[in-house]
Amino acid sequence: DAKTTQPPSMDCAEGRAANLPCNHSTISGNEYVYWYRQIHSQGPQYIIHGLKNNETNEMASLIITEDRKSSTLILPHATLRDTAVYYCIVRVGSQGAQKLVFGQGTRLTINP
Amino acid sequence: DVKVTQSSRYLVKRTGEKVFLECVQDMDHENMFWYRQDPGLGLRLIYFSYDVKMKEKGDIPEGYSVSREKKERFSLILESASTNQTSMYLCASSFTGAARREQYFGPGTRLTVT
Repeated sequence: DAKTTQPPSMDCAEGRAANLPCNHSTISGNEYVYWYRQIHSQGPQYIIHGLKNNETNEMASLIITEDRKSSTLILPHATLRDTAVYYCIVRVGSQGAQKLVFGQGTRLTINP
Repeated sequence: DVKVTQSSRYLVKRTGEKVFLECVQDMDHENMFWYRQDPGLGLRLIYFSYDVKMKEKGDIPEGYSVSREKKERFSLILESASTNQTSMYLCASSFTGAARREQYFGPGTRLTVT
């Protein structure tokens, strides 16, 4: 799986959009970009994933650059409950069970 | 909503005890996983299963075994607990299909071995 680089920490004001960047310059054509988050003392939570098109769901939007070397997770109206560590992962979309490998992630703090 | 449940949130056991951690998912997922998470080491895969009665070793299977007798249930067994198995244990499940391989996690079991 390709390596990802994320800033170690970010702050965002409550009610504003939180934009979390991720670099994955060695991504290959069959690798998907996944985002998870982990709130303190809880299990990781799946947020969103994409291959090359931008994606949106009820939790967030995922913007992937045209060359696919980087992406941005957008939480449109951050709340205090969005304070968590956010992980960007790239994975091959092949068959079979695959483990997740989390890097250090970005610790996002939402401030009131 | 996908639901993955784990039998205990907190567990304290003594060295040498046999420990059972249970995980149940309600989404008919084929794949189930057991990870442990330790500060500075991230998530490490212990075992996974892609079908009933099937299991594969992950990166750190030593000291652990698993059982999957029914599709919805995946058990992690510590045959003889040791203090270095004190950790947060996370169960996850997923479909096999290429477009839907996101993993859904349970709340975790924080195990302390004394």
